[in-house]
Order: sequence, then structure tokens, then C-alpha cells
Amino acid sequence: DAKTTQPPSMDCAEGRAANLPCNHSTISGNEYVYWYRQIHSQGPQYIIHGLKNNETNEMASLIITEDRKSSTLILPHATLRDTAVYYCIVRVADFGNEKLTFGTGTRLTIIP
Amino acid sequence: ETGVTQTPRHLVMGMTNKKSLKCEQHLGHNAMYWYKQSAKKPLELMFVYSLEERVENNSVPSRFSPECPNSSHLFLHLHTLQPEDSALYLCASSHWTGELFFGEGSRLTVL
Repeated sequence: DAKTTQPPSMDCAEGRAANLPCNHSTISGNEYVYWYRQIHSQGPQYIIHGLKNNETNEMASLIITEDRKSSTLILPHATLRDTAVYYCIVRVADFGNEKLTFGTGTRLTIIP
Repeated sequence: ETGVTQTPRHLVMGMTNKKSLKCEQHLGHNAMYWYKQSAKKPLELMFVYSLEERVENNSVPSRFSPECPNSSHLFLHLHTLQPEDSALYLCASSHWTGELFFGEGSRLTVL
């Protein structure tokens, strides 16, 4: 699975859009980009995933560059409850057998 | 509420004890996972079961023994653990959609 690089920490003002970057310059053509987050002392929560097109759901948007070497997770209107560690993971999809490798992620703090 | 329930939420045990962690999923998923999260370290995948068959075992010491009696239940049997095994143990499940659903975790302390 391709390696990812994320900033260790970020702050964002409440109500603003939080933009979390991820570099995955060694991604291969059949690898998806996944985002999860982990709120303190809870299990990780799936947010979104994509292959090459931009994706949006009720939680966030995922923007993948045309060369697929980087992506950005966007939380459009951050709230205090979005304070968490955000993990960007790339891997080949093996649906029903998701052996995801988590890195150290980005610790996002939403400032009131 | 993710549909994945882990018990107990907290467990304290001595090095000579035998205990078990339990995970139950109510989502109709066909794969289940154990992850370990030690303080200030990334999550580590321990075991994967797909259709009740173990498909992954990431060099986990034999003092951790998984059991998957059916597609809804997963156990992690613990025996003669070490203090460095103290961690948050997370169970997850998935189906054919590419999403992992995690439980709240069982926080284990080994004295």
C-alpha cells in the first residue's frame, strides 16, 4: 500500500471550512484514498473514500488532484465536535477484507 | 452507535490471568478485525477474519488468541500477558462497501 504524509496538527476556527491535506505521491492506479477520524478514546469513524473523482457526502468532501498524488479532505463548517485525529489511508480496495494501515494522522483542533 | 459492540469496555488483569474480549456486530458484515492501539502509537492490525476464516495474522504473539465462531461474533482470548500489552483493543467489521465500522474499544491494563 502507498505511504501517505499528513501534517501532524492543524487548528481551524469554528464555523470555518477545515481543509486537511494528504500527500500520496506513490499511489498506484488501483489504490483508493480513504479518510477516517478518531475522536479521543473512541474507535475510528469512516468519513469518505474515492478513487479519482471528487466525492461528497453528508460529512465531508474529498478533492483528489488530477495526478492523484495528493488529496484534501474538506469539512465545510467545522464544529467543536470535529476535533479529532484524521487519518488518510491509500490502499487497493479488497471489499470485505479491509486491511487498512493507519499512520499517525493529523490532529485537528477546532477553536471556539 | 456504530453497530459494533465491545465488552468489557475496561479490563484490568494480572500477568497470570486468562481473560477474553468480546465483539459483536449487528450489521450483517462478513469480515471482522482486531486492532491494537498503544499510547501515542498508530493503530496496529492484529487479526482479520473473512467469512469466519482467519485471513491475516500480523505476527501477533501467541498469548493473543482470536476466535470467530460465526460472522457476528469475534473474541480475543488473553493469556499470560505482559504490562506492555496494555492498550486499547479495537474491533471492527466490514462488508462489500470498503468501510470499516469500529467499536468503542476495550481498554486493557496489565499489572
